[in-house]
Amino acid sequence: EVQLVESGGGLVQPGGSLRLSCAASGFIFSNYWMDWVRQAPGKGLVWVSLINSDGSRTTYADSVKGRFTISRDNANNTLYLQMNSLRAEDTAVYYCARGEYGALGYWGHGTLVTVSS
Amino acid sequence: QSVLTQPPSASGTPGQRVTISCSGSSSNIGSKTVNWYQQLPGTAPKLLIYNNNQRPSGVPDRFSGSKSGTSASLAISGLQSEDEADYYCGTWDDSLNGRVFGGGTKLTVL
Repeated sequence: EVQLVESGGGLVQPGGSLRLSCAASGFIFSNYWMDWVRQAPGKGLVWVSLINSDGSRTTYADSVKGRFTISRDNANNTLYLQMNSLRAEDTAVYYCARGEYGALGYWGHGTLVTVSS
Repeated sequence: QSVLTQPPSASGTPGQRVTISCSGSSSNIGSKTVNWYQQLPGTAPKLLIYNNNQRPSGVPDRFSGSKSGTSASLAISGLQSEDEADYYCGTWDDSLNGRVFGGGTKLTVL
């Protein structure tokens, strides 16, 4: 069974940093592109970043470019999102998702990030 | 403001057929395949339709997708109370070099 479990969310002050993790199981992690998608409270889905299967290609939404870094550890089946210079508008539930057929086929349950003083 | 445009709400009675539209441009829907996601209250999104009209295993055939030009649609036939959810369209945008989503449509089963 495919499982994606995010962790690392919490309360952080504006300007602070946080690293999210997504532990993958039930599939060959190194075969798949992975994404991060976020959802502010009561709002819609917003794509954040993706990374290809071997980690050699990454892309970011303009809103996070230069502040967030996506990475992966295929040996340990884990996806990461390093978030720096956090702003109030980054407050959201962050989901990791598995890419397939051009879509996001499996999603984790999400982890909440709150940026507030 | 989302790159893809969806109506904020839709509704229907049990057994009815409802459609949800998704409008984009040549840099996204016009040149890429469209996917649809269902988000039940308090849960993570789930893939409903991929490649414009393909259903993942386990998705009932009451759900169908179509695409024409720079627009796409999700149709739900034989509406059921458990279909009450938020629905999002999504695709890739070549100009933005990233994935894009619609703003979401909240479906209410009356």
